[in-house]
Amino acid sequence: GQQVMQIPQYQHVQEGEDFTTYCNSSTTLSNIQWYKQRPGGHPVFLIQLVKSGEVKKQKRLTFQFGEAKKNSSLHITATQTTDVGTYFCAGHFGNEKLTFGTGTRLTIIP
Amino acid sequence: DTGVSQDPRHKITKRGQNVTFRCDPISEHNRLYWYRQTLGQGPEFLTYFQNEAQLEKSRLLSDRFSAERPKGSFSTLEIQRTEQGDSAMYLCASSLESITDTQYFGPGTRLTVL
Repeated sequence: GQQVMQIPQYQHVQEGEDFTTYCNSSTTLSNIQWYKQRPGGHPVFLIQLVKSGEVKKQKRLTFQFGEAKKNSSLHITATQTTDVGTYFCAGHFGNEKLTFGTGTRLTIIP
Repeated sequence: DTGVSQDPRHKITKRGQNVTFRCDPISEHNRLYWYRQTLGQGPEFLTYFQNEAQLEKSRLLSDRFSAERPKGSFSTLEIQRTEQGDSAMYLCASSLESITDTQYFGPGTRLTVL
């Protein structure tokens, strides 16, 4: 079936360093969504990207959707302890169900 | 609280028992989704409803699993003859109309099968 891969699986960064997670699909996505899941919590919607090459920013977070709509990235500038959690990308292949990536678990070293 | 709610939050059961979970979506949302999440993995789609109609079921949903949304509002997910492999977090999400609309997740029900 169609899959969405995410790298890295884990990332440990010093507080104040930047963090990036990458999402890749072998086939074109209709859109890409990003979710954050805190330890012990549930996925919380962050943003949706629809257009090829789209870039959106939310404070220290920058989201990109690739030109071919097969990849995406989330970049966090100057990480804080509140950024701890697992970041998932998720996308639709056409009008099919939402498919989640494998997630990147971010831990912050104070 | 106008978000998605799920009940119970935790369930411990013995292998072979039946369990039922409930999800109450955001009130104006027509679509309701069930996912399963195991440790270290992303949520995996199980099934979804448009109003009261169940439109798609994953092959992950064996014949021991059944979901209903009888009046197009709340939904239940029942697992019969539970197995240890059913231990997971069961997440419910809802969205407005289209399959591409933003999905809002509930807090989940954590099932442990002993």
